[in-house]
Amino acid sequence: KNQVEQSPQSLIILEGKNCTLQCNYTVSPFSNLRWYKQDTGRGPVSLTIMTFSENTKSNGRYTATLDADTKQSSLHITASQLSDSASYICVVSHFNAGNNRKLIWGLGTSLGVNP
Amino acid sequence: DARVTQTPRHKVTEMGQEVTMRCQPILGHNTVFWYRQTMMQGLELLAYFRNRAPLDDSGMPKDRFSAEMPDATLATLKIQPSEPRDSAVYFCASGLGGTGQETQYFGPGTRLLVL
Repeated sequence: KNQVEQSPQSLIILEGKNCTLQCNYTVSPFSNLRWYKQDTGRGPVSLTIMTFSENTKSNGRYTATLDADTKQSSLHITASQLSDSASYICVVSHFNAGNNRKLIWGLGTSLGVNP
Repeated sequence: DARVTQTPRHKVTEMGQEVTMRCQPILGHNTVFWYRQTMMQGLELLAYFRNRAPLDDSGMPKDRFSAEMPDATLATLKIQPSEPRDSAVYFCASGLGGTGQETQYFGPGTRLLVL
């Protein structure tokens, strides 16, 4: 079954600290993986997208990694800020039986950054 | 600053009533997605349009939900009759491409409460 699992479910860190969020997937065949940030009361916003051949991609203080062999991705946030408080959602795209791409969404990790 | 707009932002209604949610995609985008988000299920794809044609509505309860795109600037999601289990946040997203690789731009969502 195609699934995306994220850990931890929630996390609280102090401002200025780093953190790493995990995403494990069992999606096959794999097309790409995205990380979205969703602020409370808003829609998700794309942070990064990675295809099979990409291992690392950065977007400012956000760095995503992908290990396609172990089917794991991580999102590392450096020098956290209060505005990083949000839910971070991992989304994996795969090809279904009709060769159409479908998205499998994780439940997200809720990150709280405290002053 | 182009954005996806959704109306209404909040809706409280009684069981059995009809609910219509509207979405204006970003001008020029040719794909539109409707999602439902709950704490337990995360984001679930309800319907997907490309160039106004419905491509995938397999995630939508057919007996009570319907999605349409009367024109390129308007997408609607209708629930009739509504039930308490429909209470959730409904997001519309738009994108450009239709390959599954494109970035989806989300609206602010409609928060629906069915009593």
